[in-house]
Amino acid sequence: GDSVTQMEGPVTLSEEAFLTINCTYTATGYPSLFWYVQYPGEGLQLLLKATKADDKGSNKGFEATYRKETTSFHLEKGSVQVSDSAVYFCALSDTSNTGKLIFGQGTTLQVKP
Amino acid sequence: NAGVTQTPKFRVLKTGQSMTLLCAQDMNHEYMYWYRQDPGMGLRLIHYSVGEGTTAKGEVPDGYNVSRLKKQNFLLGLESAAPSQTSVYFCASSLGRGWADTQYFGPGTRLTVL
Repeated sequence: GDSVTQMEGPVTLSEEAFLTINCTYTATGYPSLFWYVQYPGEGLQLLLKATKADDKGSNKGFEATYRKETTSFHLEKGSVQVSDSAVYFCALSDTSNTGKLIFGQGTTLQVKP
Repeated sequence: NAGVTQTPKFRVLKTGQSMTLLCAQDMNHEYMYWYRQDPGMGLRLIHYSVGEGTTAKGEVPDGYNVSRLKKQNFLLGLESAAPSQTSVYFCASSLGRGWADTQYFGPGTRLTVL
């Protein structure tokens, strides 16, 4: 079945460092891909999404490109801030008509001043 | 506009007790979902609904029941709680199918079963 694999965390960076969180997927059909962020004690919020191959999603300085040839959707940010500390989830949409999301296990990011 | 709300925020149960978690959305969304979040496992879908009066099983439905009697509400029930159901439960809703529409999440319910 469909699945998502994320790099294991935690990831610890200094402020202004470059961030990459790897995400690869396995899917039949052509899913949409998402990055969600969860701040401490809160629910998940959509960070960005891409609905077809070669699309780039971007928001708040974060970017991810839908790479069909490598089945990847890596999250990047050029200069992280302390406020970016959170758990990041990669997800794909079920390709049936149910609207279900399949999530990776999450990657914790801690940014130190 | 409250978005997605969940009641209660925290709950402690003893094994064998029952309870109902309430999810409410005020965005007129058709689709609603219940997930559980466990350490190192991401979020897993329990049940979902594609419209008022409909429900369907997700990835981990055993031990749970759901109802969607009103479009804005999606209830998750535990008939006989077990320690394995200790988790954080999230409700989400979307206007349409997940591949085209964003899912909006509630703040979560932290459930402990002793």
